[in-house]
Amino acid sequence: AQSVTQPDIHITVSEGASLELRCNYSYGATPYLFWYVQSPGQGLQLLLKYFSGDTLVQGIKGFEAEFKRSQSSFNLRKPSVHWSDAAEYFCAVRGGSNYKLTFGKGTLLTVNP
Amino acid sequence: NAGVTQTPKFQVLKTGQSMTLQCAQDMNHNSMYWYRQDPGMGLRLIYYSASEGTTDKGEVPNGYNVSRLNKREFSLRLESAAPSQTSVYFCASSGPQGTSSYNSPLHFGNGTRLTVT
Repeated sequence: AQSVTQPDIHITVSEGASLELRCNYSYGATPYLFWYVQSPGQGLQLLLKYFSGDTLVQGIKGFEAEFKRSQSSFNLRKPSVHWSDAAEYFCAVRGGSNYKLTFGKGTLLTVNP
Repeated sequence: NAGVTQTPKFQVLKTGQSMTLQCAQDMNHNSMYWYRQDPGMGLRLIYYSASEGTTDKGEVPNGYNVSRLNKREFSLRLESAAPSQTSVYFCASSGPQGTSSYNSPLHFGNGTRLTVT
C-alpha cells in the first residue's frame, strides 16, 4: 500500500529565508507525486506534480520539488519565503494503476515578519 | 469556470440525523472523490468514483454512502450522523476531458464544515 510521511508538523521561518518541507513516500514502483497548499478556510490548490522525466520540477508561486528515488523523498523548496506563503502544505502520492491519492498529514508553515 | 462546487458550506446536525453533501464539477472529469479532513490527520479518502457508474470504498467508508448521479455530480450521504463524523469534507475531481489519467491532479472544492452534536 502507498503511504506518505511528512516529518514536520509545524515549521516557522522568517520572511525572505529559504524553505524546505520534507516528504517521504512508500510505494514499490515509481509513484505519481504531488504537493498541495491549503490556505485557512480554503480547499487545496496544486503547487506541482511529478510523474516522470526531470527529477526537479517547478511549480507555481516560485516553489520547486526534487524527486530522489534512492531516498524515497519529494521535498518542497522555495529560495525566499513571502508572508503570503503561510499555509498548510500537503504531500500526496498515487500508485501506478490506482485512482486513490494518499495524503500526508501536512506541515503548517508560519512566516515571521 | 466554477470548477468543483460543494453545498452546503456549513452544516450542524444532531446525532442520528441524516443529510446529503452535494458536489458538482464542470470540468468534464471522469473521476470524483470524497475526503474528510481532521486536525493532525491530513485528508483521508472516504469514497471515490473512477468513472460514471462506479464507486469504491476508500480508507474510511464506514457510516457513509455515495451516489454518482451522473458525470458531473457525486453526493455523499450520512444516514445517521455521529459526533465522530464532525469534520471538514472535501470533494475533488480529476482526469482530463474524456479520459482518466493517473498523473492527473485532483481539483478540490472549498469544503463543507460539518458539526454533529
